[in-house]
Amino acid sequence: NAGVMQNPRHLVRRRGQEARLRCSPMKGHSHVYWYRQLPEEGLKFMVYLQKENIIDESGMPKERFSAEFPKEGPSILRIQQVVRGDSAAYFCASSPLAGEFGELFFGEGSRLTVL
Amino acid sequence: KQEVTQIPAALSVPEGENLVLNCSFTDSAIYNLQWFRQDPGKGLTSLLLIQSSQREQTSGRLNASLDKSSGRSTLYIAASQPGDSATYLCAPAGSGGGADGLTFGKGTHLIIQP
Repeated sequence: NAGVMQNPRHLVRRRGQEARLRCSPMKGHSHVYWYRQLPEEGLKFMVYLQKENIIDESGMPKERFSAEFPKEGPSILRIQQVVRGDSAAYFCASSPLAGEFGELFFGEGSRLTVL
Repeated sequence: KQEVTQIPAALSVPEGENLVLNCSFTDSAIYNLQWFRQDPGKGLTSLLLIQSSQREQTSGRLNASLDKSSGRSTLYIAASQPGDSATYLCAPAGSGGGADGLTFGKGTHLIIQP
């Protein structure tokens, strides 16, 4: 059973370009979370999705950021018109269950560098 | 809003010692609490999950306890080894983390000297 797969592992973009980060959850997991880790800071929650639904996006910036988890295919975190402050490691986690029994499993992360 | 504090921020000890890493959180309305380790440039590896109804969990040389009412958890590492060197993260789940998501502390950076 493969773990949470994220790609690309590293992405370089110039200011104003778009970044697309992909996450394939573990087999059988229908809950997906995105977190961002800025240099020298802790991980911050961005968005929680289930298949075809955004459950909670309270941690997502209001502009330029969007996320989806379609019926088929990976979850996508999309950042439009990137700025230098978007440079960070973006981690995806998946879980088979919600609530008390919902252990989260993380991918290796996608490291975005904005020039 | 949940806030998580981990003490100490950094720790360097010779191998073989037993260690205690501390985690405190402000909102006790949690579903569970997970401990992770993160190696430099890598993702997070789940170490232990303690459900809100449990007091502790053990896996090998690791033991984690949870006192929900006082907002505390500890991770005990027995007979530490150089391979244990990593950043250890505590993350309660539930309130403030986005539906059932996690709120993270900044971690304890642990170095085990050979």
